[in-house]
Formats: sequence, structure tokens, C-alpha cells
Amino acid sequence: DAKTTQPPSMDCAEGRAANLPCNHSTISGNEYVYWYRQIHSQGPQYIIHGLKNNETNEMASLIITEDRKSSTLILPHATLRDTAVYYCIVRVAGSSGSARQLTFGSGTQLTVLP
Amino acid sequence: NAGVTQTPKFRILKIGQSMTLQCTQDMNHNYMYWYRQDPGMGLKLIYYSVGAGITDKGEVPNGYNVSRSTTEDFPLRLELAAPSQTSVYFCASSYEWGSEQYFGPGTRLTVT
Repeated sequence: DAKTTQPPSMDCAEGRAANLPCNHSTISGNEYVYWYRQIHSQGPQYIIHGLKNNETNEMASLIITEDRKSSTLILPHATLRDTAVYYCIVRVAGSSGSARQLTFGSGTQLTVLP
Repeated sequence: NAGVTQTPKFRILKIGQSMTLQCTQDMNHNYMYWYRQDPGMGLKLIYYSVGAGITDKGEVPNGYNVSRSTTEDFPLRLELAAPSQTSVYFCASSYEWGSEQYFGPGTRLTVT
């Protein structure tokens, strides 16, 4: 199973872009990169996912390197409400995925500072 | 849509007691999941279900049981509660295996 490595914590100034890195050097060709976040004491919230192309939605952008060994989640204009733990997960989409790939690691604690 | 709902929000159990954590989703999702989250840690998958009548073990299933008699409900049963089961329990559902998961608000369980 592909594993991910994220920094344990990061700070970002309010209004600035927050760039959260994730390393997944053992990712397989059929594994997607997913990002979730968890605001204190709440259930995790889906943000975005992608396979190899960069993706953007109303919440964030996902940049995946050409070799797919790392990715960056970008929150373009961070607000105080974006303070949360951000989880990067790699997993196979479709019915053949392994249940072990649904484990969320320790993630990155992002603190947005006023 | 209420999404994914969980009851109770909080519970204190004595060692050896049993209880059922309830989870209901109203999105007609086939896939449902139970996770536990220990303090300061990430989430670990306990059990999952790919549809009514079908369940399977995740990474940490020992001490738990599940059933899935309907699409909407996926209760988690703790038999003989132990202090190691003190945790926050999250239920989630998704339309298919690789699609985004929707999480409930969690149940905070303390076993003393």
C-alpha cells in the first residue's frame, strides 16, 4: 500500500495561500490522491482528489507532480476557519481497493494566523 | 438531507459493559464505514460494508461487530468494553468505493 508523509504542522497568515505538501513516493499507477480535513472535534470533510492532472474546485487546488511522487494542496486565500488537520491519502478508486488504504495518517495541523 | 447521523454523541461505559453505536445515512449510499480516532491520531478503519447484508473487517476490527440489514443503517456493536476502546468513533458513507466519503459528527466513548 502506498504511504504518505506530511509535515506535522504548518502556519499560514490569513488571506495568504496555504500550500500543504504530501509525499507519496510509492504510489501505484491506479492510486488516486485524496485530501480531507478535520476541524477540531468534527468529522472529516472531503476536499479534493486527483489521479495525475491538476484539479481545482471551489475549496482548493491539487497539484500533482509529473512523476506522481508528491502533491500539494493549495488553499488560495486561507481564512481562520481553514484551521484544521489536513489528511493526504492515496488509494485505489473502484471496487478493487484495499480496505487498509482507508486509514488516515496523522496529517498536517494547519493553523491560520490573524 | 440530514447526511450521516450518529447517536449517541457521548457515552461513558464501565469495563465489561456492551453498547451499540448507531449510524444512519439518507443519501442511499451503498458503502458505509466505521472508524475510530484516538487522541492526537489519525483515523483507523474498523469495519466497512459494500451494501446491505455485506460487511468486512478493516484494520482494527477486534472487539467490535457490525451488521447491515438495510442500506440506511450500519450499527457498531461493542461487546465487553475495554479501556483501550476509549476513542471517538466516526461513521461515514460513500456512493462508491473511490468517491468522497461523508462523515457523521462522531460518538465520543469513554470506558472506565
